[in-house]
Amino acid sequence: AQSVTQLDSQVPVFEEAPVELRCNYSSSVSVYLFWYVQYPNQGLQLLLKYLSGSTLVKGINGFEAEFNKSQTSFHLRKPSVHISDTAEYFCAVSSYGRDDKIIFGKGTRLHILP
Amino acid sequence: GAVVSQHPSWVICKSGTSVKIECRSLDFQATTMFWYRQFPKQSLMLMATSNEGSKATYEQGVEKDKFLINHASLTLSTLTVTSAHPEDSSFYICSARDPGWGGNEKLFFGSGTQLSVL
Repeated sequence: AQSVTQLDSQVPVFEEAPVELRCNYSSSVSVYLFWYVQYPNQGLQLLLKYLSGSTLVKGINGFEAEFNKSQTSFHLRKPSVHISDTAEYFCAVSSYGRDDKIIFGKGTRLHILP
Repeated sequence: GAVVSQHPSWVICKSGTSVKIECRSLDFQATTMFWYRQFPKQSLMLMATSNEGSKATYEQGVEKDKFLINHASLTLSTLTVTSAHPEDSSFYICSARDPGWGGNEKLFFGSGTQLSVL
């Protein structure tokens, strides 16, 4: 079984500053990794995903994440945040099988300070 | 544009009534859809996996008779909260998996339904 740990429930960051949202996973098999963003009262939108290949994954809205197998991490980063980045961010993991579920972390709320 | 349409976006109902939530895949035929429940400031908890043409698979602790799932076509799954009570108030989100891929490589989410039971 897989699990996901998001170490920070909330992260306050000043506008135009860099940010890193941490995610660690646990799995006995190879996995896919995802980052989703949820704006207030909305569903989830995929930011980026790691399936295979290059460990540095670039997503939408200037976000990127790096898969580190030895540290079982998939931290999300953005070099300069904007007020519109205020949202809840979820890290998720799924194994490869067709019948496998996607497991979500508890989420990290990103607060952008003016 | 959105590839999964979820309706309604919000609903208020009286205790004891039933509420139906629809989830439609717009750009592909989804043989598998998922229903999640999200409490305020918490993560998404998988309730059930809906497979077209067969019975849904419920997660442990989810009442099958209370949360009825019907996946009657390749583009539509419905979740009916029967005899709703205030404790059922929550944000419900569906997702649909594009079957053109092997697993969860392409999973699209609806915009969610906020259910408030008075």
